[in-house]
Amino acid sequence: AQSVSQHNHHVILSEAASLELGCNYSYGGTVNLFWYVQYPGQHLQLLLKYFSGDPLVKGIKGFEAEFIKSKFSFNLRKPSVQWSDTAEYFCAVRLFNAGNMLTFGGGTRLMVKP
Amino acid sequence: DSGVTQTPKHLITATGQRVTLRCSPRSGDLSVYWYQQSLDQGLQFLIQYYNGEERAKGNILERFSAQQFPDLHSELNLSSLELGDSALYFCASSVAGLAVNEQFFGPGTRLTVL
Repeated sequence: AQSVSQHNHHVILSEAASLELGCNYSYGGTVNLFWYVQYPGQHLQLLLKYFSGDPLVKGIKGFEAEFIKSKFSFNLRKPSVQWSDTAEYFCAVRLFNAGNMLTFGGGTRLMVKP
Repeated sequence: DSGVTQTPKHLITATGQRVTLRCSPRSGDLSVYWYQQSLDQGLQFLIQYYNGEERAKGNILERFSAQQFPDLHSELNLSSLELGDSALYFCASSVAGLAVNEQFFGPGTRLTVL
């Protein structure tokens, strides 16, 4: 069965620091990739998605992610984090031609210190 | 606000009981997805309905069932509840069924089984 791994469970950064959250998946076929964010007490919101084309994807709020097929990775980055980025971040994978259900990673809790 | 509504927001019940969680999708969305978020299992896909019919099934226990009604709202029924069923249950909706399209998540129902 496919799986999605987020190796960083908790990350603590100071404001203005750069962020990179890792995401790896275990599936050799075509996939669609997503990053969702869950702010405290709120619902999941889509940050960005990759379907095809340019492997560097830009999302909302200054986030971007790079799809590296050879490494089965889709890492999330932001050059300068803000206190308001404190949230939990989830990577998700959808298998091509396997319906629209998502397989999520375990999540990474990010705390940004002001 | 994603446009997906879920009721109730919180539910506290006892082991062995049965509960029903309700989800109303975004206007125009035909697909509804149910996910369970627990501390030990993370965020897991349970089941998907498309226009009233079951479309995909994930890690859903036999004690759990769901349905989607003609007005497209969906209910998730959890019976013979166990302590381990305590979790946050999310509903998501999307326009289509099999084709890849963004899922919009509701605020969730927090179920506590005592």
